[in-house]
Parts: sequence; structure tokens; C-alpha cells
Amino acid sequence: GAVVSQHPSWVICKSGTSVKIECRSLDFQATTMFWYRQFPKQSLMLMATSNEGSKATYEQGVEKDKFLINHASLTLSTLTVTSAHPEDSSFYICSARPLAEYNEQFFGPGTRLTVL
Amino acid sequence: GQNIDQPTEMTATEGAIVQINCTYQTSGFNGLFWYQQHAGEAPTFLSYNVLDGLEEKGRFSSFLSRSKGYSYLLLKELQMKDSASYLCAVMDSNYQLIWGAGTKLIIKP
Repeated sequence: GAVVSQHPSWVICKSGTSVKIECRSLDFQATTMFWYRQFPKQSLMLMATSNEGSKATYEQGVEKDKFLINHASLTLSTLTVTSAHPEDSSFYICSARPLAEYNEQFFGPGTRLTVL
Repeated sequence: GQNIDQPTEMTATEGAIVQINCTYQTSGFNGLFWYQQHAGEAPTFLSYNVLDGLEEKGRFSSFLSRSKGYSYLLLKELQMKDSASYLCAVMDSNYQLIWGAGTKLIIKP
């Protein structure tokens, strides 16, 4: 149990386009999902915390208008990178926290984004 | 501020034992996690400590001392597949994970 999926696994896009990444909890409900970004040889960097039915909380330095997060249901959160540029190329990972399980987080497999 | 410190890189020999240390300073404490991450993959959960002491799980063990703000991950009978980055993360008072930069473990034959 406790499986989190991400789609797509990898994506290559042209500069200026928008890319949507989906994060789904497959066998549990998650009120909270987290979006991370990881550059090569660096640790995870939390971008935002997404709560079902409310606006996401963004970390300092993360542009809200560039990284749009929607958490429309208890099993799905989406991250849209708008007007992507080469510097947005990174490994994006989501994690999901089950209902009332504050010390649990289950990670998705990640999405590799390459912007040309 | 909040801070997690762990060595950047360690090297060990196949079959040996290695200990990866982690020290932390956070606003509140709701547990310490160790994750393993292979290159190009998402982290996978290894252990969770919230009380002082040693938690053993097969070849891997994790120790916590809350008074010292210290933890270690002990890996025994090292195998080549254990070559990976090991991430220490602390859950703060807001139940948010604060991540260390990770320790890259290199296993040599």
C-alpha cells in the first residue's frame, strides 16, 4: 500500500511552453501533498505545500505565478510550470501525507523535466 | 534557523560497516527520518526515530539522541547496491520535513 504515482516520468519541452505534472495517491487519501525540486548532486528543496481545497503554501523564493499548484481532490495534486525556461530543468518530486498521519510521507517516483 | 548537517561523501568497502552521522537544530521535533536515494530516483524510506535509542531493521540501524540533536544510520554487510545518497530529514513542529544535503556513499569492491 501507500503508493504515489507521478505523470509524466520525464518530459522534454521547448522554452516558453507550460508543463503539467500530476501527483496521485493511489491507495490512500492525502490532505497534504508536497512538491520538491532537486538539482543534480543537491538535496531536495521544498517548493510548496499543497492542501486539498485550499491554496498552496509556497516556500520563500518560489514564484507562485510560475509554479501553479492545484490540489482539487484528496488523491490528486498538479504542478504546472508555466513559461518554462532551461533553468527550470530539474527533477520534480511529490510526496503525499495520508489523512491524520502527520509523521508519514510517501514519495512519488519523480518527474525529470528538460527545457530546451 | 533550522539546520541539518551530514557529511557530503563517504567511502566504504563491500562487506564492511559504515556509520553516517546527522546533527540537527530545528524548531520543534516530531521525528527523524533516513531515506535512501539512488541517482535519478526518488527517495525511499529507510527508518523513522522519534524516541531515543537504536532501531534495527535488517542490515540497517538508526540511532537517535534528542538531547544531543544527533542521529546516525548504520549500514552493515555493505553491498554494492548500497551505493547511493542517504538523506537525513527532521520533522519540525509544523510537521514539515527539513532535509539535510545528503551523504553520498561510495562502496568499493
